[in-house]
Amino acid sequence: TQLLEQSPQFLSIQEGENLTVYCNSSSVFSSLQWYRQEPGEGPVLLVTVVTGGEVKKLKRLTFQFGDARKDSSLHITAAQPGDTGLYLCAGAVRTNAGKSTFGDGTTLTVKP
Amino acid sequence: GAGVSQSPSNKVTEKGKDVELRCDPISGHTALYWYRQRLGQGLEFLIYFQGNSAPDKSGLPSDRFSAERTGESVSTLTIQRTQQEDSAVYLCASSLVGTAYNEQFFGPGTRLTVL
Repeated sequence: TQLLEQSPQFLSIQEGENLTVYCNSSSVFSSLQWYRQEPGEGPVLLVTVVTGGEVKKLKRLTFQFGDARKDSSLHITAAQPGDTGLYLCAGAVRTNAGKSTFGDGTTLTVKP
Repeated sequence: GAGVSQSPSNKVTEKGKDVELRCDPISGHTALYWYRQRLGQGLEFLIYFQGNSAPDKSGLPSDRFSAERTGESVSTLTIQRTQQEDSAVYLCASSLVGTAYNEQFFGPGTRLTVL
């Protein structure tokens, strides 16, 4: 069974601060996705990483896939209240079939 | 529509009643997933369909839960004899299997409340 552990579970910061959330596993994944979920809605895909050591940037968000493809991080620069939400990572073991394993998420609150 | 749709958006039922939740995936997506999400928690995998077959039913909590998919399209999740612990948001997602990324696109969910 592949497990993904996310940390921290909860994070509350002021607008303008930087933060990093982590997604760790003892398993190797073929790809890893990050999703953001806002209250009352389904998760929305932010990014997919597939290569060990890969770094992707999406405006103020920077995603990194570990060299061994077992872990990932999400860094947000100058957080804004609109970044508030539940951040979920999900790993897929096979690249073209099967289910992904989801972490339990990090709940981020950015206060104005 | 362009996205995954789910109905109803909210369902309130009495303990012991049966409920059916519906999911319409993105057209052409061959993979379909059901998840359960309790308040403030992450996603709990329930079942996965590839086409109309379900190669992975490992997440179904009990024999009160069942799901089917027809025409490689719409899926229904049925919960029989509902219990209060079944109260949660039930999310459906679809994926275009065959790509390199197994990206899932989620519907807005059905919020189930069992009184």
